[in-house]
Amino acid sequence: DAGITQSPRHKVTETGTPVTLRCHQTENHRYMYWYRQDPGHGLRLIHYSYGVKDTDKGEVSDGYSVSRSKTEDFLLTLESATSSQTSVYFCAISATVPSSGNTIYFGEGSWLTVV
Amino acid sequence: AQTVTQSQPEMSVQEAETVTLSCTYDTSESDYYLFWYKQPPSRQMILVIRQEAYKQQNATENRFSVNFQKAAKSFSLKISDSQLGDAAMYFCAYRSLLTQGGSEKLVFGKGTKLTVNP
Repeated sequence: DAGITQSPRHKVTETGTPVTLRCHQTENHRYMYWYRQDPGHGLRLIHYSYGVKDTDKGEVSDGYSVSRSKTEDFLLTLESATSSQTSVYFCAISATVPSSGNTIYFGEGSWLTVV
Repeated sequence: AQTVTQSQPEMSVQEAETVTLSCTYDTSESDYYLFWYKQPPSRQMILVIRQEAYKQQNATENRFSVNFQKAAKSFSLKISDSQLGDAAMYFCAYRSLLTQGGSEKLVFGKGTKLTVNP
């Protein structure tokens, strides 16, 4: 296992409420990512981080914000959840050293339902 | 921007037979990594195999092997002696090696659902 913990694993929330998903890693990897997975779309990148306080947008970043105040934690926030944000969210991490093969490892996913 | 295309939404194979899943990608870069991930019903993303673009030799991992054609931008996955546990969604993914501005993102295809028939 790659040492990635996502929390919560399952959440049901109401439209308009804020939601924060947490990704915690024990690998001290530089890069962290948030993806969402929806039927027919595969995995799409929401935001990513290439260091503490260094983040950038992915292809589906609207309605999401992120923060990374420590190497080990990467938070994804839905400021005002909408039904279109019902999805499975995956956190991923990677190093950039040849010994790792530049592989990206995934957490187990967080199921979010917005009602 | 890079794109990854998996043209087979669904495939099926008989147990113990061989199946090949297709993947093509588009990039202007010369150095990159390619991956195949397996996602069983548990939804966990499991790395199956990876290929470095600068290596001409095709990667193999036990029953899994790839056919990497760099000029054609093709990266197919062959599963030999298919087992019931191989049934899953399979995703092809591309990773840039550019480091400017944190460009090392992973781009996924939309996946191929593999069914293994007993």
